[in-house]
Amino acid sequence: GAVVSQHPSRVICKSGTSVKIECRSLDFQATTMFWYRQFPKQSLMLMATSNEGSKATYEQGVEKDKFLINHASLTLSTLTVTSAHPEDSSFYICSARDWGWTTNEKLFFGSGTQLSVL
Amino acid sequence: LAKTTQPISMDSYEGQEVNITCSHNNIATNDYITWYQQFPSQGPRFIIQGYKTKVTNEVASLFIPADRKSSTLSLPRVSLSDTAVYYCLVAPPGSSASKIIFGSGTRLSIRP
Repeated sequence: GAVVSQHPSRVICKSGTSVKIECRSLDFQATTMFWYRQFPKQSLMLMATSNEGSKATYEQGVEKDKFLINHASLTLSTLTVTSAHPEDSSFYICSARDWGWTTNEKLFFGSGTQLSVL
Repeated sequence: LAKTTQPISMDSYEGQEVNITCSHNNIATNDYITWYQQFPSQGPRFIIQGYKTKVTNEVASLFIPADRKSSTLSLPRVSLSDTAVYYCLVAPPGSSASKIIFGSGTRLSIRP
């Protein structure tokens, strides 16, 4: 199946600094990628939809100036958490849609990034 | 949007067959049913997808009754490594991610 690579897997930073998370589709082109965050023992919550070559679409309540998304190529999307604060500590997951060889749609997910802000 | 309801948690033992049922009473005609598995500190992994009747792959089976208001994920002969959270999703093909709502999922615990 399709592979989505996400880096780093874990990052610890000081409050006020910015952190960049990369999401790459390794064996397919993803015109659309999605970013989720997940708190412990909770479900995934969609933050934004990343579209190659255009501005990202953010879900209600997600600050676009705090969570900067760039999707400059068909295989790479980045999420930058700017001026991170302890409340931004969470598990961030990216995913990409692969139409692939089937007529049905599947979402493939990265391995996630655990962000801890001190 | 079709909302899904699953049991919060389930327990079973190694070697048993586990069936997790998901309710989706207001499923639309063009909605597909997809199940994902998530281990701690990892992203979800696609398990199986279906539209009606029965679908089987090397990992699981998916049973969907004629009215499609529910579906059952069947895991044959589970092992400890099947301990994970299982999510049932309902959405039409080509839908935006905002239409693909992750419910609470079912936390499956397998014991020796």
